Formats: sequence, structure tokens, C-alpha cells
Amino acid sequence: DTGVSQDPRHKITKRGQNVTFRCDPISEHNRLYWYRQTLGQGPEFLTYFQNEAQLEKSRLLSDRFSAERPKGSFSTLEIQRTEQGDSAMYLCASSLAHDGYNEKLFFGSGTQLSVL
Amino acid sequence: GENVEQHPSTLSVQEGDSAVIKCTYSDSASNYFPWYKQELGKRPQLIIDIRSNVGEKKDQRIAVTLNKTAKHFSLHITETQPEDSAVYFCAASSSASKIIFGSGTRLSIRP
Repeated sequence: DTGVSQDPRHKITKRGQNVTFRCDPISEHNRLYWYRQTLGQGPEFLTYFQNEAQLEKSRLLSDRFSAERPKGSFSTLEIQRTEQGDSAMYLCASSLAHDGYNEKLFFGSGTQLSVL
Repeated sequence: GENVEQHPSTLSVQEGDSAVIKCTYSDSASNYFPWYKQELGKRPQLIIDIRSNVGEKKDQRIAVTLNKTAKHFSLHITETQPEDSAVYFCAASSSASKIIFGSGTRLSIRP
């Protein structure tokens, strides 16, 4: 399967713990996005990368959230000191942007986070 | 920043009838407008997209229209079928910026 893969698929943690998620995009894709989705809502933008550069981060995002894409390939999203309100599906998506123009996003299956 | 509003939040239509979902956006620099379909328990998948240099695009039973002056765009599904039942999301972005999604429309097709 050469699609976007995310690991783990499910994560249950206790409030206050740190968690880290991984996303492997489609290999030739230069853009990588992280979104958060709760039941009945649309994907909420968190951050995105163009190659290894983090170009934008949601202003609504707490300092407890950090993301990296060190070599312009896979990415990690870390949430420190988790809170119950962090419980959600975390979706990763990648795309091949040409000349700066946005293109179709390919989504991974997501990581379902439950904070107890 | 960009804000995308979508309505209705739920829509029920008779099989064979048409369905229309509407979205408005706030950033006049937006130039890319995709639509995604998400079936229960699955990842969102692109069904159609349109760029700001065209006013309408069609792909079989699906069409999207764009009104840049009014900053709104719509998804039209004709001859609806049971497999069209899903949640549909509109989105908008400018060239070097994030893609922002609407809140979704749950479409149900009545047999």
C-alpha cells in the first residue's frame, strides 16, 4: 500500500501524559498536513509542512502541540500533558503542490486518541 | 484568516432526486475549492475540485459551481443513489496557504 499511513491507529492515555503520533506520506509528496476531527465536525487545521519547513500553525493550537518533519519525509505530532479535550481523531494528509498551488489531499486512516 | 461555512448540516433526499450543498468563504485570495466525501469510519476522499479561473466543473453526476464575487460555491449531485449517503465537506485555500474545511453535511438518500 503506497498511501498515507499513520501509526498508531488507536491510542489511549491518561490525562497529563505525553503522546506522539507518526505519519508517513506518499513518498513524492511535498506537502504534509495535520488535522484534528471530532465526531460530527469537519477536519480542523492544525499545521502543515512544505518539505521540511513548517509553514503554518493554527493560532488556536496550544503550545502543548508540536510537529516536526525533519527530513521532509515522515512527520511526528506530539501532544504534551494531554487533556480530555484532546480526545479526537488526528488525521494526516499529503499532497503534491505544483508551483505553490494546492492539490488533492490524500488522507491517512487517522490516529484515534482517547484521553482518560 | 480563512473561514468556511457550510450548509445545510443534514440533508435527506429521495433516491433519484438532486442534492445541493452550499459553502461560503471569507478570504478573497482563495483560489482552490475541493469537496471531500467521508463515509462512516473511513478517511475523507476528494470527489471534485475547482479553481478560481473557472465557474463550473462537472464529473458525471457531480458538479461544482463557483461565484467569486459572492464568495460562495456549491456541490450538486444529480440522480442520487444509496451509495451517495455520506458526509460531504467543502474546503477552500489560497495558493501558499492551508486548506480549511467546512463543518460538513450529512447526506442521507431515502429509498
